[in-house]
Amino acid sequence: SQQGEEDPQALSIQEGENATMNCSYKTSINNLQWYRQNSGRGLVHLILIRSNEREKHSGRLRVTLDTSKKSSSLLITASRAADTASYFCATRGGTDKLIFGTGTRLQVFP
Amino acid sequence: DAGVIQSPRHEVTEMGQEVTLRCKPISGHNSLFWYRQTMMRGLELLIYFNNNVPIDDSGMPEDRFSAKMPNASFSTLKIQPSEPRDSAVYFCASSFSTSPSTDTQYFGPGTRLTVL
Repeated sequence: SQQGEEDPQALSIQEGENATMNCSYKTSINNLQWYRQNSGRGLVHLILIRSNEREKHSGRLRVTLDTSKKSSSLLITASRAADTASYFCATRGGTDKLIFGTGTRLQVFP
Repeated sequence: DAGVIQSPRHEVTEMGQEVTLRCKPISGHNSLFWYRQTMMRGLELLIYFNNNVPIDDSGMPEDRFSAKMPNASFSTLKIQPSEPRDSAVYFCASSFSTSPSTDTQYFGPGTRLTVL
């Protein structure tokens, strides 16, 4: 079963707006990762946040982690049409493997 | 540098046929992962190798699926016999680490398998 559940399942916004996606997970983690998947492509790693970190930035991306609530959020600021993709969170499962969430499909309209 | 290479990119076969998917990881990476992605089940880890040794194959759906990694630069995922429910996109990914959950995984472009 999947460890992470993203919310919302789908999100549509206009270029220039901010997009926020949330991830909830079930068990304790050492870290949480976010990946992006463009249509018809493989996943691309975006950012990793460790359990002792509360916030991390990378360009227009901002990730927060709340271990007490077992949740994380990914914020994309000033979105662009090229940000249209599915976004997945991934956390550690048994035997040290990554388990991916269900994903949020983001559509950014020009 | 070349990324993870998968072949074929598309495969259409008939039920009962053997299917072999191939993967070449990024040079120097010591972990390799096979995933399956479907609309119904999302992205599932099938098996992963570390230093060519299978570490966790608990995601392999049944005995019809097998995977090998004969050397550090090549892996195969075989389905024999194939069934329509095996239709999916199969991804190979690789990473360099001794702790797969903390390191970046690099994904190949995937193989879209259709079993008729």
